[in-house]
Amino acid sequence: NAGVMQNPRHLVRRRGQEARLRCSPMKGHSHVYWYRQLPEEGLKFMVYLQKENIIDESGMPKERFSAEFPKEGPSILRIQQVVRGDSAAYFCASSPGFGEKLFFGSGTQLSVL
Amino acid sequence: GQQVMQIPQYQHVQEGEDFTTYCNSSTTLSNIQWYKQRPGGHPVFLIQLVKSGEVKKQKRLTFQFGEAKKNSSLHITATQTTDVGTYFCAGPNSGGSNYKLTFGKGTLLTVNP
Repeated sequence: NAGVMQNPRHLVRRRGQEARLRCSPMKGHSHVYWYRQLPEEGLKFMVYLQKENIIDESGMPKERFSAEFPKEGPSILRIQQVVRGDSAAYFCASSPGFGEKLFFGSGTQLSVL
Repeated sequence: GQQVMQIPQYQHVQEGEDFTTYCNSSTTLSNIQWYKQRPGGHPVFLIQLVKSGEVKKQKRLTFQFGEAKKNSSLHITATQTTDVGTYFCAGPNSGGSNYKLTFGKGTLLTVNP
């Protein structure tokens, strides 16, 4: 039973480029969450999605960041025109239902040069 | 906004010594969760405490939730090298949604064999 799958594991982008991070939840899980972790910091909530719906995006920066979870395929976290401050580990988590414990993926380490 | 603080930030012990990390929330929590993140890894759910004064044990790990539901602790008896990692506590957002967790900055435990 595969866990939460994230790719790529590492992503290097130059300032101004776009970053696309993908997340496939655990089988049977329909709730997806994205968290960001800066070095030596705890995780910060970004967005909560269900299939085709954004439920809560209160943790997302208002500009350049967007997320989707289409009917088919993985959830995508998209960062446009990346800046150095976007460098962080981005973790996706999933749960089988609302309010249940989270299972985290291995994360994508984004480095912006 | 809600804050979750953890102390100490770092703890280095000799193998066989005990270890404790403390977690304090600025608001009363409906529950508290603990996660472990190995170096270079992703957060892994350890436990959730819900009741005031609750104490739960997992082998050498003892988790406690304070009477006021604003603080918690994790105690490891007789540490082993496999215990190395960062231990995070996390509490739901003030609105009570379990997915929108506020994480502490974590306690990094290193164990000298």
